[in-house]
Amino acid sequence: GNSVTQMEGPVTLSEEAFLTINCTYTATGYPSLFWYVQYPGEGLQLLLKATKADDKGSNKGFEATYRKETTSFHLEKGSVQVSDSAVYFCALSDLTQGGSEKLVFGKGTKLTVNP
Amino acid sequence: SQTIHQWPATLVQPVGSPLSLECTVEGTSNPNLYWYRQAAGRGLQLLFYSVGIGQISSEVPQNLSASRPQDRQFILSSKKLLLSDSGFYLCAWRIGQSTDTQYFGPGTRLTVL
Repeated sequence: GNSVTQMEGPVTLSEEAFLTINCTYTATGYPSLFWYVQYPGEGLQLLLKATKADDKGSNKGFEATYRKETTSFHLEKGSVQVSDSAVYFCALSDLTQGGSEKLVFGKGTKLTVNP
Repeated sequence: SQTIHQWPATLVQPVGSPLSLECTVEGTSNPNLYWYRQAAGRGLQLLFYSVGIGQISSEVPQNLSASRPQDRQFILSSKKLLLSDSGFYLCAWRIGQSTDTQYFGPGTRLTVL
């Protein structure tokens, strides 16, 4: 089945540092790709998405580009802030056994940004 | 706008006790609903999904069950909790076939002792 592999965390950066969180996927077909963010004690929020190859999703200074040739969807931000501290999940769309849409998630990468 | 509610936010239960977690969605009709579990170090796993009232599908065999008594209500239950049921339970919704984006509730932290 389809799967997502994220870089292991935790990742610790200083404020204003450059962030990359790697995500690669294995899939049949061309799934949509997502990044979700989970702030401490909260549920998941959609950060950005891309639906086809070469699409770039962006939000709040974060970007990720759907790379079909490398099956990757790496998350980047040029200058992180303390408020970006959270767990980041890469995900792809897939189908359940019954044919309904579902999301397949990576294990998550915890980011801590220090002032 | 649509909102999704889950309660309780936190729950501590003894092994062998029953469980009922509730999820409700406002501002939309006939959503697809999902229950995920986030266990320590294991990421998120889809447990159940529902495309309509009374329609429940399970992705993995387990000690839990789900029900959808109303269009915008999704309930996760257990008759007897196990230690391994501990985790963070997330409800999510999606609108039919128009999008593959899912929106998540705030979650319930369940600790089984």
